[in-house]
Amino acid sequence: GIQVEQSPPDLILQEGANSTLRCNFSDSVNNLQWFHQNPWGQLINLFYIPSGTKQNGRLSATTVATERYSLLYISSSQTTDSGVYFCAAVNFGNEKLTFGTGTRLTIIP
Amino acid sequence: EPEVTQTPSHQVTQMGQEVILRCVPISNHLYFYWYRQILGQKVEFLVSFYNNEISEKSEIFDDQFSVERPDGSNFTLKIRSTKLEDSAMYFCATVSGKAFFGQGTRLTVV
Repeated sequence: GIQVEQSPPDLILQEGANSTLRCNFSDSVNNLQWFHQNPWGQLINLFYIPSGTKQNGRLSATTVATERYSLLYISSSQTTDSGVYFCAAVNFGNEKLTFGTGTRLTIIP
Repeated sequence: EPEVTQTPSHQVTQMGQEVILRCVPISNHLYFYWYRQILGQKVEFLVSFYNNEISEKSEIFDDQFSVERPDGSNFTLKIRSTKLEDSAMYFCATVSGKAFFGQGTRLTVV
């Protein structure tokens, strides 16, 4: 099956800093999605991004499908951005998500 | 935005007991899933359900587990004879391009 790796595993930043999270996947995928897991454990879908770039407020994501990676950018970090960020690659055919190991982001006031 | 709803939010059960986790998926979505997340680990696929039958299951999803859609709206995961290692957060999800996850059920087996 598809292997999904994320880096870095942990990231600690001051409030206001910018960050880039990376997701590499081992095979061609139907699409790539980014999630934020908040302190209560909820998985919030941030982006559905098979290719190209999307922006939503301070967050943006880019997927380069031909090179099998995706990036999540967070600008002007806030403490509420803290949590674990997962990317998930989606197979062709059955829409199954294969999750990466996550990046734990901690924003310090 | 449409929501996937899961109940209960927390469940504590004795080892060896059966539990049923419930989900109300988004009504016009076709693919339903259960995922599991052991504390501090990544989210793992358990089973996918399409057209009222299992379309794929992981090696985790053994005879201890079963899924059904009893009434056309609810989607349930049954875990028989629970073990300590079944303690985890269980998520229901539906997909229509974008994936929508429920808020999860935290299962603790004691």
